[in-house]
Amino acid sequence: GENVEQHPSTLSVQEGDSAVIKCTYSDSASNYFPWYKQELGKRPQLIIDIRSNVGEKKDQRIAVTLNKTAKHFSLHITETQPEDSAVYFCAANRDNAGNMLTFGGGTRLMVKP
Amino acid sequence: GAVVSQHPSWVICKSGTSVKIECRSLDFQATTMFWYRQFPKQSLMLMATSNEGSKATYEQGVEKDKFLINHASLTLSTLTVTSAHPEDSSFYICSASGQGAGEQYFGPGTRLTVT
Repeated sequence: GENVEQHPSTLSVQEGDSAVIKCTYSDSASNYFPWYKQELGKRPQLIIDIRSNVGEKKDQRIAVTLNKTAKHFSLHITETQPEDSAVYFCAANRDNAGNMLTFGGGTRLMVKP
Repeated sequence: GAVVSQHPSWVICKSGTSVKIECRSLDFQATTMFWYRQFPKQSLMLMATSNEGSKATYEQGVEKDKFLINHASLTLSTLTVTSAHPEDSSFYICSASGQGAGEQYFGPGTRLTVT
C-alpha cells in the first residue's frame, strides 16, 4: 500500500521568510497529491494540489513541486504571515482512480511575527 | 461549492452507550464518503470508505461491528460508534468526494468524549 512520509514535523520561521515542507511517497501509481491546512480544532482545508502530469503549480504565495522519478513533492510558502501558522498535511492517492488518500504525519508551522 | 457538514460538532456520552455522527454533502453529490479519526497532534487515520448504497470498506484494524457506517444516499453518510469506551474518545472527521479524481472535502469534525 501507499506510504507517505512528511518532514519536518515542526517548522518555525520568521514572518516574511519562506517555508518548505517535503513529502515522499511509495506507490509509483499515485497521481494526485493534495496539501491540506488544518487550524486547531478545525477541518482540514485543501490549499493546493498537483497531478502527476505537471511538475509545478503555483497559487499566489503557495507553490507545490513534484518529482515523480524520485517520488517526492514539496510545499513552498513564500512571504509567510502569522495566519499561515497551522498544521499542514500532504497526501497521495492510493489508487489511480484517485479517491482514497494516504496522509503524511503533518507539519506544525509556526510563523513568528 | 463543495461544502460538507457534520453533526454534532461535539458530544459527550457515557461508557457503553452508542453515538451517531452524520456527514452531509450540501451542494454536490458525494459518490464516496470517508471517515477518519484524529488523535491530538496526530495525522488523519482513515477508518473506512463508503459508497452510496453499498457496504463500507474498513481499514485494517478497524472493527466494523463497533463502527457502523451507513451511506444511504449521495448526500448522507452516518457513523455510529457502538458501545463506546473512553479509548474511543477522539476527533472524528468525514470527507466527501464527487466525480472528480482525488479531491476530498472535509466536514468540520465531531469531538467525541466518552466518560
